[in-house]
Amino acid sequence: EVQLVQSGAEVKKPGESLKISCQGSGYNFATYWIGWVRQMPGKGLEWMGVIYPDDSDTRYSPSFQGQVTISVDKSINTAYLQWSSLKASDAAIYYCVRHPQGGFSYGDYWGQGTLITVSS
Amino acid sequence: ERVMTQSPVALSVSPGERATLSCRASQSVSTNLAWYQQKPGQVPRLLIYGASTRATGIPARFSGSGSGTDFTLTISSLQSEDFAIYYCQQYNNWPRTFGQGTKVEIK
Repeated sequence: EVQLVQSGAEVKKPGESLKISCQGSGYNFATYWIGWVRQMPGKGLEWMGVIYPDDSDTRYSPSFQGQVTISVDKSINTAYLQWSSLKASDAAIYYCVRHPQGGFSYGDYWGQGTLITVSS
Repeated sequence: ERVMTQSPVALSVSPGERATLSCRASQSVSTNLAWYQQKPGQVPRLLIYGASTRATGIPARFSGSGSGTDFTLTISSLQSEDFAIYYCQQYNNWPRTFGQGTKVEIK
């Protein structure tokens, strides 16, 4: 069974750093692109970027380029999303998604989401 | 960037009735279009990809159509579990973009 399990909810202060994770299982993790999607409170879905675990090829949506870093450790089947300095506007639920084999298209499997709260 | 516009923003439908949701792309996305369902407090679920192919386990009452710039998601006979927000998403161009969603409510 394909599963993406994300790290737990976080409460942070503005300016703090954060790294959240997404561990895949039940499939060959290295050969499927993993994406990250943001959902701000009460809002819709936004595609942030993708990474190919086998060679760490990474693409960012222009809106998120320079704002976050996507990385991966294929030895432990885990992708990461990190911030060096959080802002209040980063408060959201973040989902990791698996793309079907062959490219980064749609998300066929989704993680359970990680809620990030940023408040002073 | 391809802008995806969904209409209507909200739709009130009685159980058993048909619901028709629209998604329009600012430029052609061919048939590289997916639909997702998101219930309150839940993770989005893939319904349709390739504009018209149902994902694994999705009931036949869900159908997708369209190509180019205009797409439709039809729910033939709404069940109580179908009341949710539906998003379209194009994957023809980078960055991938979602529509703003259509909320299907109980009438």
